[in-house]
Amino acid sequence: DVKVTQSSRYLVKRTGEKVFLECVQDMDHENMFWYRQDPGLGLRLIYFSYDVKMKEKGDIPEGYSVSREKKERFSLILESASTNQTSMYLCASSLKGGFGDTQYFGPGTRLTVL
Amino acid sequence: QKEVEQNSGPLSVPEGAIASLNCTYSDRGSQSFFWYRQYSGKSPELIMSIYSNGDKEDGRFTAQLNKASQYVSLLIRDSQPSDSATYLCASSPNDYKLSFGAGTTVTVRA
Repeated sequence: DVKVTQSSRYLVKRTGEKVFLECVQDMDHENMFWYRQDPGLGLRLIYFSYDVKMKEKGDIPEGYSVSREKKERFSLILESASTNQTSMYLCASSLKGGFGDTQYFGPGTRLTVL
Repeated sequence: QKEVEQNSGPLSVPEGAIASLNCTYSDRGSQSFFWYRQYSGKSPELIMSIYSNGDKEDGRFTAQLNKASQYVSLLIRDSQPSDSATYLCASSPNDYKLSFGAGTTVTVRA
């Protein structure tokens, strides 16, 4: 079974803090993704990575950065958290690029920025 | 225009009925399509994928794809209360990425 884990289920931070969200997958997947999910807006891609140390911007990268130093681990960084970054953050992984690859999701981190 | 649009719902069906979910996509180059189910407070889980025109059946679920009309649908037959969830349609417009619709919330009434 594919397992994608995220470091926290719930997180409360203050405006201006630096926030780290970590994601680990145990299936040797090449691709990893960070999404945020907001009511009425669906899942929006923030960043993705198709290999170690490689990253690509998604649809809404502003205010975020990522790090992938090891194949199994993909971190999302909020350099200076703002209230509009309050959201559910979902990490996903897939085996390889190309059409048809299923993405497997972690349990999500609900982040509240006060 | 959003890449993937779903009927907004919410959709309420009686137990045992057929729930019909619809999705359209804008990128004609999309080759792969997925339906995910998301229970409240949980993460999405894949229930169906479809790549060719026509129907694909898996248990009580049937996915239908019409690339000419850029249309994907999901039918849930003999709906059960456990099918109550939000269903997300996704297309793959290029390598790696999936584009998701906003989701349709289904409630199955006992």
